[in-house]
Amino acid sequence: DAKTTQPTSMDCAEGRAANLPCNHSTISGNEYVYWYRQIHSQGPQYIIHGLKNNETNEMASLIITEDRKSSTLILPHATLRDTAVYYCIVEVSGTYKYIFGTGTRLKVLA
Amino acid sequence: GAVVSQHPSRVICKSGTSVKIECRSLDFQATTMFWYRQFPKQSLMLMATSNEGSKATYEQGVEKDKFLINHASLTLSTLTVTSAHPEDSSFYICSARLTPLSPLGNTEAFFGQGTRLTVV
Repeated sequence: DAKTTQPTSMDCAEGRAANLPCNHSTISGNEYVYWYRQIHSQGPQYIIHGLKNNETNEMASLIITEDRKSSTLILPHATLRDTAVYYCIVEVSGTYKYIFGTGTRLKVLA
Repeated sequence: GAVVSQHPSRVICKSGTSVKIECRSLDFQATTMFWYRQFPKQSLMLMATSNEGSKATYEQGVEKDKFLINHASLTLSTLTVTSAHPEDSSFYICSARLTPLSPLGNTEAFFGQGTRLTVV
């Protein structure tokens, strides 16, 4: 079973920040949180990952709570091309396996 | 990021025939690859873990004789759907991991572009 829960869908205005939450209350101490997105009929695209500290790259920022039970992916200036399904994944410890949850369908509105 | 390539991107086959899908890591070696299946409007479902030089590990409910996996080299894994039927029509996706630098390595997985299989 997926170890994460996410809202089914979200809308965001173009140019505004998109904040996508994820709960992972059963995460273990050495398990990383990964974020991917999938645009229709394509393979998932890696966005960012983290363990404890907040992370930022050219695509997004990842904020992980101190207790590590939840995280938020931030797309600082959403564009129409960011419309996709976003998956938050906690790797099955010691296996390198990803178990996908239902993800959040983000729709960026013009 | 690292590149994973799948071939073919689309395939149509007749019921009862077998179809082979290739997954290649183009610029890195992958001792472990993963195969997923995705039905329309659903999430990805992990089918099996492909290990170079050893037998694949299948998830519960996935028939190993139906979905044959071969990982003969560090850059190639193949999935063969045997005796395909219309209910096997789906989007099949592979992923590969960079070999981590330590037992607690945190390298991300890279996904292929997927293969749309239609069985008629």
